[in-house]
Amino acid sequence: EDQVTQSPEALRLQEGESSSLNCSYTVSGLRGLFWYRQDPGKGPEFLFTLYSAGEEKEKERLKATLTKKESFLHITAPKPEDSATYLCAVQSESAEGGKLIFGQGTELSVKP
Amino acid sequence: DGGITQSPKYLFRKEGQNVTLSCEQNLNHDAMYWYRQDPGQGLRLIYYSQIVNDFQKGDIAEGYSVSREKKESFPLTVTSAQKNPTAFYLCASSIDYRGVTGELFFGEGSRLTVL
Repeated sequence: EDQVTQSPEALRLQEGESSSLNCSYTVSGLRGLFWYRQDPGKGPEFLFTLYSAGEEKEKERLKATLTKKESFLHITAPKPEDSATYLCAVQSESAEGGKLIFGQGTELSVKP
Repeated sequence: DGGITQSPKYLFRKEGQNVTLSCEQNLNHDAMYWYRQDPGQGLRLIYYSQIVNDFQKGDIAEGYSVSREKKESFPLTVTSAQKNPTAFYLCASSIDYRGVTGELFFGEGSRLTVL
């Protein structure tokens, strides 16, 4: 069964304090791994897609990396506006309808 | 601007009532999805549709129904048979019904509360 586990559940950082969020996954053939950002009361906003181990993608202070078992979302020198819940999802090669399996998310809080 | 519009944003329902959540997209996407989000849990798939007039059950379809009469529209009905309907409901779409790109674009969500 395809599974996604994110850790930690919550992370509190001071402004400028870099850290990483983890997404561990089990899937029968990975088609893609996705990172989303979700603000309270809003729908998730797409950040990155990673397709194969070793791949990296960056956007402003965020950098996503992928191995065969997990993905990391690195946040460099975060700012308060980076506070949000970050969701990880996987799509398997056998996924019907292209559906994604989501982790429970990591709630990030960045204090000034 | 292209996007996905969900309505209403907030909805209150009495027990025993059916309610319908609207989802409209102008992205010309083939596939559309309904997810349910509960605190501390990942998004769970309710129904999805890859083409007009066709839809498939997701992981938690019991107590829900959908229709896909137009490419742009994918309404979700929460029936009285759904035992715990209070949740945040998210509609999404993707550009390719085979899910090749995998990127889902989400609406702003509808929060349903059963009184």
